[in-house]
Amino acid sequence: ETGVTQSPTHLIKTRGQQVTLRCSSQSGHNTVSWYQQALGQGPQFIFQYYREEENGRGNFPPRFSGLQFPNYSSELNVNALELDDSALYLCASSQTASTEAFFGQGTRLTVV
Amino acid sequence: QQQVKQSPQSLIVQKGGIPIINCAYENTAFDYFPWYQQFPGKGPALLIAIRPDVSEKKEGRFTISFNKSAKQFSLHIMDSQPGDSATYFCAASKRTGANNLFFGTGTRLTVIP
Repeated sequence: ETGVTQSPTHLIKTRGQQVTLRCSSQSGHNTVSWYQQALGQGPQFIFQYYREEENGRGNFPPRFSGLQFPNYSSELNVNALELDDSALYLCASSQTASTEAFFGQGTRLTVV
Repeated sequence: QQQVKQSPQSLIVQKGGIPIINCAYENTAFDYFPWYQQFPGKGPALLIAIRPDVSEKKEGRFTISFNKSAKQFSLHIMDSQPGDSATYFCAASKRTGANNLFFGTGTRLTVIP
């Protein structure tokens, strides 16, 4: 087991609402990355947090935002949900910003 | 723009066969190439990874072959088993700074008993 845990496992939201997804990183890991995986596609990088600071961002609009806490857990917030935001959201943690990433089981978000 | 191209999209082999999954990349700044295995309803699990300074790496039944000049790498699964049936993703990243992984589109492998 990777030790990365995400909550909730499933979520249904209405278009226009806001959602917060949570991730607890593996023990000893100070870096958390978030990915979006649409059905039948590979994960796409949203952003990474290293020691509570954003440390890289993919091609996602500002309504995707995040936080990392002193215990290195993290949140992904998405405002003004759109139907296309329906996907599996994956959190990955690593010991540093440049070491192997280990993924959690993901949160399946459905926007209706 | 797909930074890592993966083929085939799906693959069916008999038990004991050797499925091969291929990936190609363009960005010569990439210097870390992992493979992930994903079962339905689960997150991707790291299988094996390679750096461009070696041409081959083996871990158990999994082998990565790497061709730096062609900017291609592949995964071979020796003596495949029904339990290997999953979706496999190749990925690439620049290891310095944010290890933003660029994933391929995935290969769904089915191993028939």
